[in-house]
Amino acid sequence: GENVEQHPSTLSVQEGDSAVIKCTYSDSASNYFPWYKQELGKRPQLIIDIRSNVGEKKDQRIAVTLNKTAKHFSLHITETQPEDSAVYFCAASINYQLIWGAGTKLIIKP
Amino acid sequence: EAGVAQSPRYKIIEKRQSVAFWCNPISGHATLYWYQQILGQGPKLLIQFQNNGVVDDSQLPKDRFSAERLKGVDSTLKIQPAKLEDSAVYLCASGGSGVFTEAFFGQGTRLTVV
Repeated sequence: GENVEQHPSTLSVQEGDSAVIKCTYSDSASNYFPWYKQELGKRPQLIIDIRSNVGEKKDQRIAVTLNKTAKHFSLHITETQPEDSAVYFCAASINYQLIWGAGTKLIIKP
Repeated sequence: EAGVAQSPRYKIIEKRQSVAFWCNPISGHATLYWYQQILGQGPKLLIQFQNNGVVDDSQLPKDRFSAERLKGVDSTLKIQPAKLEDSAVYLCASGGSGVFTEAFFGQGTRLTVV
């Protein structure tokens, strides 16, 4: 079945710097890749997603890139701010099922 | 629009007891998910419904967990008997029936088994 690996497990960046989180998936039939943000004690919420027919998508300070050949996709956050501190999860969708990565804890240092 | 409703928010039970969680998805959402999230880990899918049919329950410990979605709307997840390792947040989410569908999560139920 599909497997999603996410790296790093923890990422600490200086406020204002960029952060990049990477995920790889195993099944080339996966066709939808959402990213969720989960703040401490709160529910996961979708922040951006990308479909398999698109290579890149951007929404203000966040962007996602997809490399179908290499089967990996990445989340990019620019000009990081304290409110970006959270756990970020990637996921891959296949046959209407979402397979989740293990999460990345993003720490923004003041 | 109203969000996904879950109850209770918190539950403390002793091991070997039973417990039930309730979820009311966003109106019109065909897909309903139950996830288990252990502290410090990502959500683990327990069961996925499409209307009132089961799409995936491969990770549901069927000897102790059961779930139903009557009439394709509300859903209940039951654990009987509970074990210490069942302590986690149980998240319900709902989404549309399409492939590219966002999952909207409820607040979750924090279960502590003592």
